[in-house]
Amino acid sequence: QQQVKQSPQSLIVQKGGISIINCAYENTAFDYFPWYQQFPGKGPALLIAIRPDVSEKKEGRFTISFNKSAKQFSLHIMDSQPGDSATYFCAANRGSTLGRLYFGRGTQLTVWP
Amino acid sequence: DAGVTQSPTHLIKTRGQQVTLRCSPKSGHDTVSWYQQALGQGPQFIFQYYEEEERQRGNFPDRFSGHQFPNYSSELNVNALLLGDSALYLCASSRDSVEQYFGPGTRLTVT
Repeated sequence: QQQVKQSPQSLIVQKGGISIINCAYENTAFDYFPWYQQFPGKGPALLIAIRPDVSEKKEGRFTISFNKSAKQFSLHIMDSQPGDSATYFCAANRGSTLGRLYFGRGTQLTVWP
Repeated sequence: DAGVTQSPTHLIKTRGQQVTLRCSPKSGHDTVSWYQQALGQGPQFIFQYYEEEERQRGNFPDRFSGHQFPNYSSELNVNALLLGDSALYLCASSRDSVEQYFGPGTRLTVT
């Protein structure tokens, strides 16, 4: 059973546009929600993370929006660049499981110049 | 400051063989987690080590085992390899089990 559901599977955006990736979860015990960026042949790199006590977190061009009541969170990439082309994974973690991350299936983002 | 390092980068094994993968955590980190990432999928949790003990385990058979050393480095061992074990094996380290930093992975191919 997929603990974290991610959509879309792939996304094509024009340079300068906004990329939006969505994730949903069921387990209300999750209390930490990171996003990872992965380039081909590399390990996932931690991009940005949020906890459920805030509804939004912004770091540069990357913003996480969090809706606790809907059990959804999303990643927004503003002014998307070709260098942002990668696979993005959302994940969730609950303190009681001592750091185990549950990952979504990933979104392959392509930004056209 | 070196990040998480893994060795080897690539490995080719034959079905039925055994393999050992190695991981050195980021400086200051004491917890190591291992994940398996099949092609086109998200990473799947195998197990986590802290203070040289397996603290948590995912849904993987006993053929998957591990070890953590006093310097916090870790090994992942897989016995009786199956074709389905072909994947990217990722090591992640953390200090407080929350923010996890991944290494580049070891690409294992079983033929």
